[in-house]
Amino acid sequence: KAGVTQTPRYLIKTRGQQVTLSCSPISGHRSVSWYQQTPGQGLQFLFEYFSETQRNKGNFPGRFSGRQFSNSRSEMNVSTLELGDSALYLCASSRSEDRVYEQYFGPGTRLTVT
Amino acid sequence: GDSVTQMEGPVTLSEEAFLTINCTYTATGYPSLFWYVQYPGEGLQLLLKATKADDKGSNKGFEATYRKETTSFHLEKGSVQVSDSAVYFCARKETSGSRLTFGEGTQLTVNP
Repeated sequence: KAGVTQTPRYLIKTRGQQVTLSCSPISGHRSVSWYQQTPGQGLQFLFEYFSETQRNKGNFPGRFSGRQFSNSRSEMNVSTLELGDSALYLCASSRSEDRVYEQYFGPGTRLTVT
Repeated sequence: GDSVTQMEGPVTLSEEAFLTINCTYTATGYPSLFWYVQYPGEGLQLLLKATKADDKGSNKGFEATYRKETTSFHLEKGSVQVSDSAVYFCARKETSGSRLTFGEGTQLTVNP
């Protein structure tokens, strides 16, 4: 069974630009969550989607947005990039929202903003 | 709010030593608890989980028991290997939703 895939793996952008990251969950998984990982703040929750609906959102500015498609694939978008947005962005998928189901993570997209 | 606290690192051990990484969580709701491991340049891999009090999760020689009375989920391994060198994260998942709240992470280095 294929794992969670994320594209691209690495990205370099300039301040002020926007970026779109993609995540394909494990087949059969309907819940997708996004996290930002930085050395200073650790792992922080961005948002989660289930059946194309955003269920929960973390404490990030409106520049961070996402969506989920009918095939459960998800994208996140960051507009007007800032230097502080440089981070590893991790996507995770789960069979459902039920707390007993574990989340499986992709390899991440390393975003560098210059 | 809901939180997870891990022991401060980094932790450095010799091969075959006993490992304990402490993890405590705030006693709200009925969370599921997880340990994830992250190797350099990679995403997080699920190591083990426990979904209710007194459950013991185990995998690859690692164990952790969900202790409600002490709000703890300490990770243990009897004999570590060099290949166990990585960052370990404790996490909780709430009753509803998929959101995980992570601890700070503990860097483990095992020397031969």
